[in-house]
Amino acid sequence: DADVTQTPRNRITKTGKRIMLECSQTKGHDRMYWYRQDPGLGLRLIYYSFDVKDINKGEISDGYSVSRQAQAKFSLSLESAIPNQTALYFCATSDSSIRRTHSNQPQHFGDGTRLSIL
Amino acid sequence: GENVEQHPSTLSVQEGDSAVIKCTYSDSASNYFPWYKQELGKRPQLIIDIRSNVGEKKDQRIAVTLNKTAKHFSLHITETQPEDSAVYFCAAISTDSWGKFQFGAGTQVVVTP
Repeated sequence: DADVTQTPRNRITKTGKRIMLECSQTKGHDRMYWYRQDPGLGLRLIYYSFDVKDINKGEISDGYSVSRQAQAKFSLSLESAIPNQTALYFCATSDSSIRRTHSNQPQHFGDGTRLSIL
Repeated sequence: GENVEQHPSTLSVQEGDSAVIKCTYSDSASNYFPWYKQELGKRPQLIIDIRSNVGEKKDQRIAVTLNKTAKHFSLHITETQPEDSAVYFCAAISTDSWGKFQFGAGTQVVVTP
C-alpha cells in the first residue's frame, strides 16, 4: 500500500544535539508537511513544501529547518535541540494534481516520531 | 488567516448515545472541511470530509453538517461504540491557502460501556 513513512519512530536525545527526522512517501503526492503535536494544542504546522524547489515556513518554524531532497522525501532538522521541542512530530502529504477543479485534497499522515529532549 | 475553534475539548458519552463536535471557522473563503480521528498512539486518519457546495454528508454512523452562513461545521456520531473513543480533529482550508490546513485543537471522545 502507498504510504507515508517516518523514521525514527522514537528518539531520546540531549539538549544541544542536532537531530534529523525523515519522511518518505510512496503516494506520489507533490505536497509535504511537517507538524508538531502537543497535548491540547492540536497540530501546528512547522514547514511545508509544494514541490522540490518550494519550501515555506509554517506557524512555528523557529528552531527548525527542512530539506526536500526529492519529491518523495522531506526531512526536518532541529539544529540545536531544546527541551521545549519535546513533542510528537507528524509528516503529511497531499495531492494537488487535481487542478481542473482547484479542489483541496485531504492530507495523509505518517505514524509520527515521538521526540524527547532531555 | 484562518482560525478554527473546536468544542468541546472532551466529551464523554454512554455507548449507544450520539456524540456531536462543533467547529467554527473565521475565513469565509474556506471551502473544504475534513475530519480526522486519532486513536491513542496512532496517526490521524481522515474519516469524513465535506466541501462548501454541500450542506451534509453521511457515511454509516458518522455525518458532517456545514452551515456556511454561520461559519460552522459539526461531526455527528450516532450509536457510539467503544472503538469510537479517540481524539477527533476538524480542519478548514481555502483555495487561497495553498493546501495549508488550519486544525482545531481536538476533542477527546470517551465512550463508556
